[in-house]
Amino acid sequence: GQNIDQPTEMTATEGAIVQINCTYQTSGFNGLFWYQQHAGEAPTFLSYNVLDGLEEKGRFSSFLSRSKGYSYLLLKELQMKDSASYLCAVKGAGGYNKLIFGAGTRLAVHP
Amino acid sequence: EAGVVQSPRYKIIEKKQPVAFWCNPISGHNTLYWYLQNLGQGPELLIRYENEEAVDDSQLPKDRFSAERLKGVDSTLKIQPAELGDSAVYLCASSRRTSETDTQYFGPGTRLTVL
Repeated sequence: GQNIDQPTEMTATEGAIVQINCTYQTSGFNGLFWYQQHAGEAPTFLSYNVLDGLEEKGRFSSFLSRSKGYSYLLLKELQMKDSASYLCAVKGAGGYNKLIFGAGTRLAVHP
Repeated sequence: EAGVVQSPRYKIIEKKQPVAFWCNPISGHNTLYWYLQNLGQGPELLIRYENEEAVDDSQLPKDRFSAERLKGVDSTLKIQPAELGDSAVYLCASSRRTSETDTQYFGPGTRLTVL
């Protein structure tokens, strides 16, 4: 079966660092995406990993370990506007772009 | 570059009524997706189009849902008749198949409430 697990909720303080974990069990793997979704808005693309290791993009970094079926999204220097849901999505096998999404992690950033 | 456009943003109908959602993808994106997102959940794929061809509609409840993308650009998703359980956000996304990551870009969605 297909299973993607993320923590349901997290809280953090403005200026701090937070790590959002994602574990997956899917039939095939062709990449992992992270999306940010503010309440009532569209999911917006943050990062893509297909090889093991860390991808850094400004305040956001994403890590992938394919052997462990594990990824994390690291947010540094947290700002209030980072309060949102963060969705982990795996592109499965089959040669086409079918994404399986996790339920998302709702992050609340406090002053 | 304009993003994915969807309308309406909100729709309230009574059960058993029909409803339709419209999507205009990013220019040049040949792949279009319709997703359903329930509160507190991630998006779930309903149907995927490559140009005007529906290539994955295995998750579309075909007894009441239908979709079309006649000219390979805009798309319409219809529900007839709507049921209470159809209340959700309906998201449209598009991607450029030839890009390295084939990243999907989402529209703001249509929030449907069935009373």
